[in-house]
Amino acid sequence: GAVVSQHPSWVICKSGTSVKIECRSLDFQATTMFWYRQFPKQSLMLMATSNEGSKATYEQGVEKDKFLINHASLTLSTLTVTSAHPEDSSFYICSAIGDRAINQPQHFGDGTRLSIL
Amino acid sequence: GQQLNQSPQSMFIQEGEDVSMNCTSSSIFNTWLWYKQEPGEGPVLLIALYKAGELTSNGRLTAQFGITRKDSFLNISASIPSDVGIYFCAGRRETSGSRLTFGEGTQLTVNP
Repeated sequence: GAVVSQHPSWVICKSGTSVKIECRSLDFQATTMFWYRQFPKQSLMLMATSNEGSKATYEQGVEKDKFLINHASLTLSTLTVTSAHPEDSSFYICSAIGDRAINQPQHFGDGTRLSIL
Repeated sequence: GQQLNQSPQSMFIQEGEDVSMNCTSSSIFNTWLWYKQEPGEGPVLLIALYKAGELTSNGRLTAQFGITRKDSFLNISASIPSDVGIYFCAGRRETSGSRLTFGEGTQLTVNP
């Protein structure tokens, strides 16, 4: 159980393009989803916390107009990188927790490798 | 920034050896989690700890929630080549809701 699917797994696009990444919980309802960014050989950096039906909470230093997050249903959250530039190239990972008990462990998707040319 | 100190940063061991890694913090955590990440994939949950002093095993893996609630360790016994990967500790503080703080990771290499 607790499977999280992320799509696409890899995307290459031109500078200035907007890119949408999907995160789905396949066998549970995810009340909360998280979006992380990971640079090579580094740890995960939390970008934002997304609760179903409400606005995402962004971490300090993360531009909410640059990284648009939508969590319209209990099984789907999307991250849109708007007008992407080479410095946005990174590994983006989502995670989800299954109910409102805050001590539930986060289950992660397989990540999306974003490369901006 | 990161508030969890994870060590060692990397380990190179022979197959069959035991491995130990730990995370410490100046803050108190009410949950400790250990994850393994392989190249190009997301982290996979190995062990979750919820009570101070708790000792939990998952096959050859054993993790403990420190009594002070400021540390946790992960042991891997009789390592095998497929144990290769990056191991992350993650903690949840009472004041952080469901958000996790991650350690910097331990890169494990197992030589056959």
